[in-house]
Amino acid sequence: KQEVTQIPAALSVPEGENLVLNCSFTDSAIYNLQWFRQDPGKGLTSLLLIQSSQREQTSGRLNASLDKSSGRSTLYIAASQPGDSATYLCAVGLPDSNYQLIWGAGTKLIIKP
Amino acid sequence: GAGVSQSPSNKVTEKGKDVELRCDPISGHTALYWYRQSLGQGLEFLIYFQGNSAPDKSGLPSDRFSAERTGGSVSTLTIQRTQQEDSAVYLCASSLAGTKSKETQYFGPGTRLLVL
Repeated sequence: KQEVTQIPAALSVPEGENLVLNCSFTDSAIYNLQWFRQDPGKGLTSLLLIQSSQREQTSGRLNASLDKSSGRSTLYIAASQPGDSATYLCAVGLPDSNYQLIWGAGTKLIIKP
Repeated sequence: GAGVSQSPSNKVTEKGKDVELRCDPISGHTALYWYRQSLGQGLEFLIYFQGNSAPDKSGLPSDRFSAERTGGSVSTLTIQRTQQEDSAVYLCASSLAGTKSKETQYFGPGTRLLVL
């Protein structure tokens, strides 16, 4: 059974720092992995999607990497800003399902001005 | 264009009462998903609708939970005889087709349910 873990549950860093959020999964047989951002009262927004054949994806100051063999993904945020404060969730797409995602519990990120 | 909308945004109810949660997906999206997010937990899949196909109800936690989607658009999640453990944020998402391409799901803001 696939399980997704995100550690730490919460992280607070000063503005301007580069930071890494971690996501680990127990079964390397995945279809893809996605990183989402969740803002209070605003639902989830997809940030990056990495297919199982890819090693990384980049969007602006965000870079997500995927290492299937070790069951890990990282989300790198460069030059953090207070507006980056949110909860970041990772979700793994299962190879035998068109739509089911297995979710981590998220990392709550606070960027201090 | 308009995104996924959900109503109400917050709902407080007494144990044993029934509640209905509504989701309006993005126009033209044929796939619709319901999730539950309990405090400190990841999202839990509840039910999936795709076009006119029979919904995948495999994630519904008990027979107190049901959902329908009328006219391939609006969906209602109903929880009967609510229990305190039903307290959570209920999220709805929609996607264009729900095909094997696993396209991006677009989420609504959620309904925060509190059962007293």
